[in-house]
Amino acid sequence: GENVEQHPSTLSVQEGDSAVIKCTYSDSASNYFPWYKQELGKRPQLIIDIRSNVGEKKDQRIAVTLNKTAKHFSLHITETQPEDSAVYFCAATDYKLSFGAGTTVTVRA
Amino acid sequence: EAGVTQFPSHSVIEKGQTVTLRCDPISGHDNLYWYRRVMGKEIKFLLHFVKESKQDESGMPNNRFLAERTGGTYSTLKVQPAELEDSGVYFCASSRSGSTDTQYFGPGTRLTVL
Repeated sequence: GENVEQHPSTLSVQEGDSAVIKCTYSDSASNYFPWYKQELGKRPQLIIDIRSNVGEKKDQRIAVTLNKTAKHFSLHITETQPEDSAVYFCAATDYKLSFGAGTTVTVRA
Repeated sequence: EAGVTQFPSHSVIEKGQTVTLRCDPISGHDNLYWYRRVMGKEIKFLLHFVKESKQDESGMPNNRFLAERTGGTYSTLKVQPAELEDSGVYFCASSRSGSTDTQYFGPGTRLTVL
């Protein structure tokens, strides 16, 4: 089955700085890579996703890159704000999601 | 549209007891998934329904777990008898189609087995 590894497990950044979270996956059949954000006590919410036919996708301050050859993908958050503080999960799938262990991001004001 | 709902939000039971979790997917979503997150670890897939049929239950830990989706609408996940290691947050998600369609998550049920 698919195995997704996510790093780092915790990340503390100064407001305004960038945050980068990296994930690797094992199954070359995976073709869809969503990122979920979970704020304390709330449900995981999709923030961005990328499909295997695309190398990069951007949505305002959030971008995701995918390297299929190396089987890794990354989330980039620029100009971080306090409301970006949350747990972020990467996932890989060809239909059922396999998640990374999560990254707790803290944005210091 | 209304989101995925789950009931209860929290459940505290003793080892050996039975608990039933409920998930109501987004209306019109044929695909329903159950996931579980044990403290501090990754969210793990349990099973997948397409309408009322179990498409994949490879993630179910053992036969103490029983999921149903009668009529292809809401789903229940029963744990009987519950063990300490069953504690965690159980998430339900739904999607309109399978494969790579976006999965929308419910708020989760936090289960604590004492």
